[in-house]
Amino acid sequence: QVQLQESGPGLVKPSETMSLTCTVSGGSVSDNSYYWSWIRQTPRKGLEWIGYIYYSVSTNYNPSLKSRVTISVDTSKNQFSLKLTSVTTADSAVYYCAREAEGSGYYKFDHWGQGTLVTVSS
Amino acid sequence: DIQMTQSPSTLSASVGDRVTITCRAGRAVSGWLAWYQQKPGKAPNLLIYKASILQSGVPSRFSGGGSGTDFTLTITNLQPDDFATYYCQQCHTYPWTFGQGTRVEI
Repeated sequence: QVQLQESGPGLVKPSETMSLTCTVSGGSVSDNSYYWSWIRQTPRKGLEWIGYIYYSVSTNYNPSLKSRVTISVDTSKNQFSLKLTSVTTADSAVYYCAREAEGSGYYKFDHWGQGTLVTVSS
Repeated sequence: DIQMTQSPSTLSASVGDRVTITCRAGRAVSGWLAWYQQKPGKAPNLLIYKASILQSGVPSRFSGGGSGTDFTLTITNLQPDDFATYYCQQCHTYPWTFGQGTRVEI
């Protein structure tokens, strides 16, 4: 059974860079059948798709965040990571990593991490 | 971005009820739609994908329908474990977008 677990600082200062890591167990981030994704959730905006990494090098980001986001993978550690630069209080959210599967006529987020709360505050 | 609008925002129901949640897309997404259930403090959990296909392990009292811009999630014989918030999500056009959620409460 695939499991994902987010880790990283729970508090980040405004204008700094936020870094989160997702550790995958029971599966491999090198498995090119899946898109390894980040999604965040706030009370104000709800669930927001951030982006994914695919085939370890191909990425796709939400245009609203694209200038500040980098998603990368470390196959040796079976992890993928999210970096978000120049954070503001609007980036305070619960951040989820998720595995997205693709098939004929569908995509689906079939496994999620438990989520990690990141607060942006001085 | 494709806006996803769910109705109602909150739904009051009782155990054993049949409830229907509606999701409307700002433009046609064919059948590229998924439904998720989320309980407080937990991650969303996939219920249905491709508009109507039940994810493995999900009880058959959940069903999905629709195509184009209008979709439904129906729960028959509502169980205590079903009181939660439900989200639709389109996977037709990037960026993927979610509905604002429908809370099913007693």
